[in-house]
Amino acid sequence: DQQVKQNSPSLSVQEGRISILNCDYTNSMFDYFLWYKKYPAEGPTFLISISSIKDKNEDGRFTVFLNKSAKHLSLHIVPSQPGDSAVYFCAASPYGGSQGNLIFGKGTKLSVKP
Amino acid sequence: EPEVTQTPSHQVTQMGQEVILRCVPISNHLYFYWYRQILGQKVEFLVSFYNNEISEKSEIFDDQFSVERPDGSNFTLKIRSTKLEDSAMYFCASSGQGFSGANVLTFGAGSRLTVL
Repeated sequence: DQQVKQNSPSLSVQEGRISILNCDYTNSMFDYFLWYKKYPAEGPTFLISISSIKDKNEDGRFTVFLNKSAKHLSLHIVPSQPGDSAVYFCAASPYGGSQGNLIFGKGTKLSVKP
Repeated sequence: EPEVTQTPSHQVTQMGQEVILRCVPISNHLYFYWYRQILGQKVEFLVSFYNNEISEKSEIFDDQFSVERPDGSNFTLKIRSTKLEDSAMYFCASSGQGFSGANVLTFGAGSRLTVL
């Protein structure tokens, strides 16, 4: 039962271009969505989040867009840098479930080529 | 920058043996978690812990698993009798808030468990 889906296991982008990572979810009761980045041999690191009452949140080069009607969110990285190469996980928090039961997608491996 | 530390980084054990994975959460955090990631699969929630008791657990967290905060700084995950399918990377996480806003978890680097 995949409540959070990242359908692209990998993505390759040229340095300086935009990276767009996508995530779909099935449960309309999710109230927060988070993106985590993971380098090899490290734990996931929080990147950016968005509340279900918003449709956009921006932090420097990273912007997350939320389309509630489509149950879809995306992470945009502009411009992409080689250091952004990592696995990106989309995660969702159930409504009122702020006790940490984040539901993760399988991740998308981003490769940014110089 | 404060971090969550986990030991051991890698443990190999025989099926049926008990394993204890250790974590030191960020010192002023109050909420503690264990997640696991089987190779090639998604990161899965196991259990959350607050105020010295389990606040939520998943179906994965059966009677073979237990958690403890024995001394106010360490947070442990015990697997009583390991099975082959317990082989995974186990991540400890902590957070400073649990009930408002996005609950941003800080993860440790993980403990890789290999059950033979």
